[in-house]
Amino acid sequence: GQSLEQPSEVTAVEGAIVQINCTYQTSGFYGLSWYQQHDGGAPTFLSYNALDGLEETGRFSSFLSRSDSYGYLLLQELQMKDSASYFCAVNTGGFKTIFGAGTRLFVKA
Amino acid sequence: IAGITQAPTSQILAAGRRMTLRCTQDMRHNAMYWYRQDLGLGLRLIHYSNTAGTTGKGEVPDGYSVSRANTDDFPLTLASAVPSQTSVYFCASSDQPDAYQNEQFFGPGTRLTVL
Repeated sequence: GQSLEQPSEVTAVEGAIVQINCTYQTSGFYGLSWYQQHDGGAPTFLSYNALDGLEETGRFSSFLSRSDSYGYLLLQELQMKDSASYFCAVNTGGFKTIFGAGTRLFVKA
Repeated sequence: IAGITQAPTSQILAAGRRMTLRCTQDMRHNAMYWYRQDLGLGLRLIHYSNTAGTTGKGEVPDGYSVSRANTDDFPLTLASAVPSQTSVYFCASSDQPDAYQNEQFFGPGTRLTVL
């Protein structure tokens, strides 16, 4: 079967750095995406990695290692508004995307 | 309108009833998707459409049907609702996904309860 594994929850303090890991096992792989979702809201796109390496977008960075079937999302200078759920997702080919179950991030003052 | 809209926002439905969830986008995206989100399971793809007139099955298509008569609209129909279809339903759209990009834009969701 196909699966994506990520921690169910992570807690960090304001101003800190947090890393959310994602390992995947899928029948196909085109790229790894990350989405943020606040309670009661819709998922919003953060990043997409098709090639190995680090992609940086402001305070957020995303990393991919295709040989290890592994990626992570790095959030720096954490703010209270970063408290949300974060989902990794694999584009398995064409129009099909498999999502992980999500990591709930709690940012404490 | 801007982006993706869904209707209704929420609905309580008796089991066995027929229900259509509506989704409209104004970004002229070719690809559209329907997901359901259940606690602890993340988002699961129900059906997708790569262009008007063409649809495909996702991970959990049973009990659902879709149509894509034009670029903007992608309704999801539950022919005979069952309690296990209680969920939050998200519609999404994107440009044609390729090896370098796959950003999906999500609507606000429809919370459906089947009793």
